[in-house]
Amino acid sequence: QKEVEQNSGPLSVPEGAIASLNCTYSDRVSQSFFWYRQYSGKSPELIMSIYSNGDKEDGRFTAQLNKASQYVSLLIRDSQPSDSATYLCAVKERAAGNKLTFGGGTRVLVKP
Amino acid sequence: GAVVSQHPSRVICKSGTSVKIECRSLDFQATTMFWYRQFPKKSLMLMATSNEGSKATYEQGVEKDKFLINHASLTLSTLTVTSAHPEDSSFYICSAREGEGAGYTFGSGTRLTVV
Repeated sequence: QKEVEQNSGPLSVPEGAIASLNCTYSDRVSQSFFWYRQYSGKSPELIMSIYSNGDKEDGRFTAQLNKASQYVSLLIRDSQPSDSATYLCAVKERAAGNKLTFGGGTRVLVKP
Repeated sequence: GAVVSQHPSRVICKSGTSVKIECRSLDFQATTMFWYRQFPKKSLMLMATSNEGSKATYEQGVEKDKFLINHASLTLSTLTVTSAHPEDSSFYICSAREGEGAGYTFGSGTRLTVV
């Protein structure tokens, strides 16, 4: 069974610090990777998508993909209390009808 | 950006009744929509993939006769929870993709409580 693994947390970071989240996946042919943020009681919001090895930056967020090691990470710079949420890693497999497989999520707490 | 509208946001129903949840893609055509269920403090679990004009594809362990999915147009998919029971109480979320290379946009979710 194809899996996407994340540490459940909570990951506690002081305001202004960098939050580092990791995600590993088991399906070597996965091709598309997504990070979503989900506030309690709300649906997920897309933060970043990444398809190629290396880094991709968008504002305070940087996604890093290493297909050889089968991991994808998300860095949140200058963390704010409003970043406190659960972050979900999702992977799209090449031959799975476009469906996403989600990790269990990492809960992030940014303390003022 | 792409918007997926989901209704209702909350519903309380009596055990044994049926509940319909609607998802609409507002500014794009979604040939495929995905339906998820999420229990408290758990991740999203894919229930089924809804294809316009054809039968939905259900994930293993999901009862197709209990969770009826209809995708009659390129902008509307519905999920009907039939003969609901308290264990069906959950957060149901739909998702669609505008096209290849685009991210997956989620509806706002429906909190179903069966009493």
